[in-house]
This record gives sequence, C-alpha cells and structure tokens, in this order.
Amino acid sequence: RKEVEQDPGPFNVPEGATVAFNCTYSNSASQSFFWYRQDCRKEPKLLMSVYSSGNEDGRFTAQLNRASQYISLLIRDSKLSDSATYLCVVNDKGTASKLTFGTGTRLQVTL
Amino acid sequence: NAGVMQNPRHLVRRRGQEARLRCSPMKGHSHVYWYRQLPEEGLKFMVYLQKENIIDESGMPKERFSAEFPKEGPSILRIQQVVRGDSAAYFCASSNPNEKLFFGSGTQLSVL
Repeated sequence: RKEVEQDPGPFNVPEGATVAFNCTYSNSASQSFFWYRQDCRKEPKLLMSVYSSGNEDGRFTAQLNRASQYISLLIRDSKLSDSATYLCVVNDKGTASKLTFGTGTRLQVTL
Repeated sequence: NAGVMQNPRHLVRRRGQEARLRCSPMKGHSHVYWYRQLPEEGLKFMVYLQKENIIDESGMPKERFSAEFPKEGPSILRIQQVVRGDSAAYFCASSNPNEKLFFGSGTQLSVL
C-alpha cells in the first residue's frame, strides 16, 4: 500500500464548477498535512496546510479527518488557471524534514 | 530576495558519466532537502542536510549517489556512473528548522 494515495485523474471540469480531491495516508502517526500544486513538471508550490478543524483560503477549502486518515481539497468556482496537478503531502515528524508526496491528481479546467 | 536556485536546469549525460546537481538555498536557510521525481510518479525524498551534516539519507540509493552541503557554497547531489533509470527531475528545497519548505525549479537529468 502506498503511503499517500490519490486518484490520479484527470478531472476535467468546466469553468465555474466545484471539484473535490481526496487523499488517504497510511501512517497514523503523521503529524502535518499539506496540499501542494505542481504545474507541468515545474517545482511544487505550497497551496495550503490542512488542519483537523478545516481551513479555507479563498476558493480553496481543505479538511483533515484523522480517524479515517483522509484529507480533502475542495475548489469552488474553478478557473482556467487552476489547471495543474494537486499533490497531497504528509509529514511524519514535527519538522519539515521528510515530506511524503502522493502522486498527484491532475485537474484540467476548460471553457 | 532570490529563491532556491538550482543549476543546471537541464543536464544530459551518457551512461557511465557523472552528474553533479547544484542547489543554493534561499538566503538565511540552513536546511537543504533533495527530492527526485521519476516520470509519472510523485516526488520521493532522498536526503536532508544541514551545513556539513547529513541529517537523514534514508531515501538515497545505496550506491552511486552522494550529497553534501559544505560550509561554503551550494549543496551538491552527485550521481556516479549514471544509468538510464536515473533520468528524472531532481528538486532541491530549503527551509529553516520547523518552517515550510521552498522548492527550486529543479534539474531535469536525461541519461542517453
């Protein structure tokens, strides 16, 4: 079983749609959780951290369910510029020393 | 305020040659991390270094790969006697302790 599992997609959605990505992780001792965005083999960029209480940043909402070891990302009102690969990332330690990346979910937003 | 700088952006090597990838961390950052991304796969942790120290190399292949972060100068990821399977994007990231990582633009290594 992979440490971090994501549906690879692609998710093809029209502009303005709401889309949700899910991710599961295998290590119950994991401490920190993130969503990163990666454009076309460029460097990954931090989109947002994920907390059990849920957190929102504009059109993006992230949620963590520790009991189910499940992380989600919701994107509302999709824009063309949201087209990218979204990486679910887990850190097993309190520091940022060793991030474990999922293989990513590809999103394509169309007109 | 320059970000994490990696060079070269693209590196082509023939099988058996050596590859040297360089990474200059963001100004003020003391920690460097190397990750590898194979085609159609996620990023895999390779090694975590502080100045003159390897903190965690659990993701490094046992042979041919080495990394250093000297007191002066950039961090170097060195791959000896490259094989086709080493072809990948190699990303460096830097941070301060317990802070978020910033990634460089990566080096795309192609082995012919």
